[in-house]
Amino acid sequence: DTAVSQTPKYLVTQMGNDKSIKCEQNLGHDTMYWYKQDSKKFLKIMFSYNNKELIINETVPNRFSPKSPDKAHLNLHINSLELGDSAVYFCASSQEGTVKAFFGQGTRLTVV
Amino acid sequence: DAKTTQPPSMDCAEGRAANLPCNHSTISGNEYVYWYRQIHSQGPQYIIHGLKNNETNEMASLIITEDRKSSTLILPHATLRDTAVYYCIVSYSNSGYALNFGKGTSLLVTP
Repeated sequence: DTAVSQTPKYLVTQMGNDKSIKCEQNLGHDTMYWYKQDSKKFLKIMFSYNNKELIINETVPNRFSPKSPDKAHLNLHINSLELGDSAVYFCASSQEGTVKAFFGQGTRLTVV
Repeated sequence: DAKTTQPPSMDCAEGRAANLPCNHSTISGNEYVYWYRQIHSQGPQYIIHGLKNNETNEMASLIITEDRKSSTLILPHATLRDTAVYYCIVSYSNSGYALNFGKGTSLLVTP
């Protein structure tokens, strides 16, 4: 069983479109994250949710909106996609009180 | 969060121990040292973490100096599958914090 799963694995879309990436964890963790890895391979935190509440919101365009329907899911919705949004997006989760995180396999987003 | 300094790249022969250093001279008393790795095209993978004492698990050993200003990750018998980028991260351990990944060390294990 995959601990942290993201869908889709690959996403190719045109500029201006709206898309969502889904993330689910079956580890019973309280905290979930979205990270972005750009073309230079730098991994940066975007958002963190703890028990469905937003606790970290880095400087990210408001076109990006995370949604956590329950503590096992953290989806990422992106409006009006731009070329610069092309990257690999990783979802992760950890138990409260630790940053020992488990990562998904990533979603490679390509905006054309 | 304290910053870390790692060499950009290292080589290691298969079967040998890989010793990956990390400097974190500004670490505060409550910050932990975490090690992750990222194998090409995969998500980062947790390896080990520690506060003051040396730690060992099935993947690796973590040696933290007494002053906590530096640490070394040891892969005792490196295999080709250990080729990856290794990240040393210092962080408080609670939900208000996330992992700040630096550039890491690209480890190449050669036959």
